[in-house]
Amino acid sequence: GAVVSQHPSRVICKSGTSVKIECRSLDFQATTMFWYRQFPKQSLMLMATSNEGSKATYEQGVEKDKFLINHASLTLSTLTVTSAHPEDSSFYICSARFLGTFEETQYFGPGTRLLVL
Amino acid sequence: GDSVTQMEGPVTLSEEAFLTINCTYTATGYPSLFWYVQYPGEGLQLLLKATKADDKGSNKGFEATYRKETTSFHLEKGSVQVSDSAVYFCALGDDKIIFGKGTRLHILP
Repeated sequence: GAVVSQHPSRVICKSGTSVKIECRSLDFQATTMFWYRQFPKQSLMLMATSNEGSKATYEQGVEKDKFLINHASLTLSTLTVTSAHPEDSSFYICSARFLGTFEETQYFGPGTRLLVL
Repeated sequence: GDSVTQMEGPVTLSEEAFLTINCTYTATGYPSLFWYVQYPGEGLQLLLKATKADDKGSNKGFEATYRKETTSFHLEKGSVQVSDSAVYFCALGDDKIIFGKGTRLHILP
């Protein structure tokens, strides 16, 4: 099956610093990647949709200047949490959709746990 | 907007018990429906899906049928195992995926 990786799997940072999370599709090209956020014991909330070569589309209430998304290639999307604060501590999950199909299934990465001190 | 409602957990069962996790949805149109599973410390994995009314998705002994008349997609398994302990998410969508809140399942040996 399709594999999506995320790096790092876990990161601890100080308040005010920026953190970059990578999402890679390892065996397929993904024109579209999605970024989700999951709080403890809650569901995944879609943050933004990332299309290769264009600006990301953010969901209502998500600060685009705080959560910078770049999708520079068909296999890589990055999420940068700028000037992180403790309330940004969460589990961030990406997913990737196949290129050139109407595949309705998204393949999810294993997630990145961010802890901001 | 579209939404998914699933039964709250945790659900605790003994091994070999019958499992049902209820899921209902509201949607404009007829989106695909999914069940995802999240094992402890891991990311989401697609468990099964159905793309149109009356379709039955199945995998690893789990089943769910797309019921348009009751707007439901209940997850069932005839005999659960300890290894089925996880959080189960019902979801819908064909582009953006909307998730339910998840149901934590504990299976006791």
